[in-house]
Amino acid sequence: DTEVTQTPKHLVMGMTNKKSLKCEQHMGHRAMYWYKQKAKKPPELMFVYSYEKLSINESVPSRFSPECPNSSLLNLHLHALQPEDSALYLCASSQPPGGSGELFFGEGSRLTVL
Amino acid sequence: QKEVEQNSGPLSVPEGAIASLNCTYSDRVSQSFFWYRQYSGKSPELIMSIYSNGDKEDGRFTAQLNKASQYVSLLIRDSQPSDSATYLCAVGGQNFVFGPGTRLSVLP
Repeated sequence: DTEVTQTPKHLVMGMTNKKSLKCEQHMGHRAMYWYKQKAKKPPELMFVYSYEKLSINESVPSRFSPECPNSSLLNLHLHALQPEDSALYLCASSQPPGGSGELFFGEGSRLTVL
Repeated sequence: QKEVEQNSGPLSVPEGAIASLNCTYSDRVSQSFFWYRQYSGKSPELIMSIYSNGDKEDGRFTAQLNKASQYVSLLIRDSQPSDSATYLCAVGGQNFVFGPGTRLSVLP
């Protein structure tokens, strides 16, 4: 069973739409991550939440807005995206935050911006 | 800025051979190192973690770490076609960083 669950698996949106990606983890981890991955490239870190607080924002454009309602949930709100934002968006969790813990990934949400 | 480099691919090996994947990292104080496997269109899957100098074996996989040389490697013994994937080296810490990946093809 996948212990990091992402929804939706696929999302198509126009440049004027507002949508959200959701992630839930069931491992009791206290750090959650958003990564963006383009084809044939490695995952690129976007945001890190540690104990429900934003600890890292890798200079991500404001059209991406993260939210961590509780220790199990992580959202990524999307607004006014560009076609170049089309990618696989990966959620991950780890324990302990910022330490030696392995990252466990969800299956990803594949986003297409028209 | 933490950097992770991997040997350029693609790497092709015949079935049953040993595949050797290499990785170097720039941050001398890094303490945790990981190998992920990623099939096309799928998310990365953790296959090995290593924290101490030396070798760590898990089934057909052996990870090797040399902190003095800032070098991590992954050996895959008795390679199978199902091992064909991209292998990502990662360095842990607050900002978990991935290398560019090495694509491995195991030829039947």
